[in-house]
Amino acid sequence: KQEVTQIPAALSVPEGENLVLNCSFTDSAIYNLQWFRQDPGKGLTSLLLIQSSQREQTSGRLNASLDKSSGRSTLYIAASQPGDSATYLCAVGPISNFGNEKLTFGTGTRLTIIP
Amino acid sequence: DTEVTQTPKHLVMGMTNKKSLKCEQHMGHRAMYWYKQKAKKPPELMFVYSYEKLSINESVPSRFSPECPNSSLLNLHLHALQPEDSALYLCASSQPQGRNEKLFFGSGTQLSVL
Repeated sequence: KQEVTQIPAALSVPEGENLVLNCSFTDSAIYNLQWFRQDPGKGLTSLLLIQSSQREQTSGRLNASLDKSSGRSTLYIAASQPGDSATYLCAVGPISNFGNEKLTFGTGTRLTIIP
Repeated sequence: DTEVTQTPKHLVMGMTNKKSLKCEQHMGHRAMYWYKQKAKKPPELMFVYSYEKLSINESVPSRFSPECPNSSLLNLHLHALQPEDSALYLCASSQPQGRNEKLFFGSGTQLSVL
């Protein structure tokens, strides 16, 4: 059974710093990995999706990398801003999955950017 | 329009009530999902509809009854819920034919069962 872990559970950094969020998964037989952002009491917003054949994806100040063999992904946020404060979740989609149906979510990292 | 709209945003109900959660999307997506999320936990998949047919039911109790009237709408009918069913209920949609399609989530319905 796939297990997805995100450490640390919470992180506080001063505004303007670059930071890295981590995601580890136990089964490397994945088809893709997504990073989501969730504001308190709200739904999830998909930030980046990395296909298993890719090593990284970039969107603005965000860069996500994937190392399937080691079961790791990182989300790099450059020049952090208070508006980046949210919970960040990663989710992996297994090879046997047709679509998004069986995504396994990580437990999330609650990020606070201190002005 | 890249939105998934959920109503109501908040719902308080007694254990004997019957209520429904609604979800709507106009992105032409043919897969729609219900997730349940407890505080500080990741979302848990409940149901998946693909082309208006129920394709996944994650052994959810029968007091939760999903319905997909058409490709744009998804309902979740609630009856005789328990206090432990209190949670954020999230609807999502995607295109089912590609494995690398992003999930689009609604803002959720915060449900409290008294």
